[in-house]
Amino acid sequence: DIVLTQSPDSLAVSLGERATINCKSSQNIFYSSNNKNYLAWYQQRPGQPPKLLIYWASTRKSGVPDRFTGSGSGTDFTLTISSLQAEDVAVYYCHQYYNAPPWTFGQGTKVEIK
Amino acid sequence: QVQLVESGGGVVQPGRSLRLSCSASGFTFSIYGMHWVRQAPGKGLEWVAGMSYDGSDEYYVESVKGRFIISRDNSKNTLYLQMNRLRAEDTAVYFCAKDLDSYSFDGSAYDYWGLGTLVTVSS
Repeated sequence: DIVLTQSPDSLAVSLGERATINCKSSQNIFYSSNNKNYLAWYQQRPGQPPKLLIYWASTRKSGVPDRFTGSGSGTDFTLTISSLQAEDVAVYYCHQYYNAPPWTFGQGTKVEIK
Repeated sequence: QVQLVESGGGVVQPGRSLRLSCSASGFTFSIYGMHWVRQAPGKGLEWVAGMSYDGSDEYYVESVKGRFIISRDNSKNTLYLQMNRLRAEDTAVYFCAKDLDSYSFDGSAYDYWGLGTLVTVSS
């Protein structure tokens, strides 16, 4: 099974500052045949279901603010929130949907306001 | 708009069964793969089971193989999860989630999620 390890487990960032979350995969999740990385990022606010932010590692879902950016390839990925807003307080998960199941999630990163 | 509404959760004793339903609306249910993802209290997300758009393929996480059965009725726009021989470690909120890409069961992010239904396995 592919294991996703996120770092850090939690971080506190001042309003307007940058937040960076990393996700490392135990296996390559890049398909050279279609040039895609099979990785998504979700935001889960307290008491709510997850919300898709980024797919194919760097494609922002329609309606997601452009302060959210996904990057990386192969085994190392990053979600960056360029200017943290109060509504961004949440737990963020990476998710790999490469190849055969089981499809797996990272353990989550909790983002708080400093 | 897309809506996914789970139901069927509750408190059940270990070893008993429960069937969850996910009613879908606002999209063409029959052309999207669907999944069940669970979240134990205070924990992270765990993919549990998935089914292709036409029901021809089904997959499970190892810990539920032989106990859980995923199915769908495209005429009723509904996804199901039959959970048998429940264990305490199955206690979680169960979400249903929709594939982002149509006709593409293998390899898709999940673009819509329901609010979830809580399953508590306890004597």
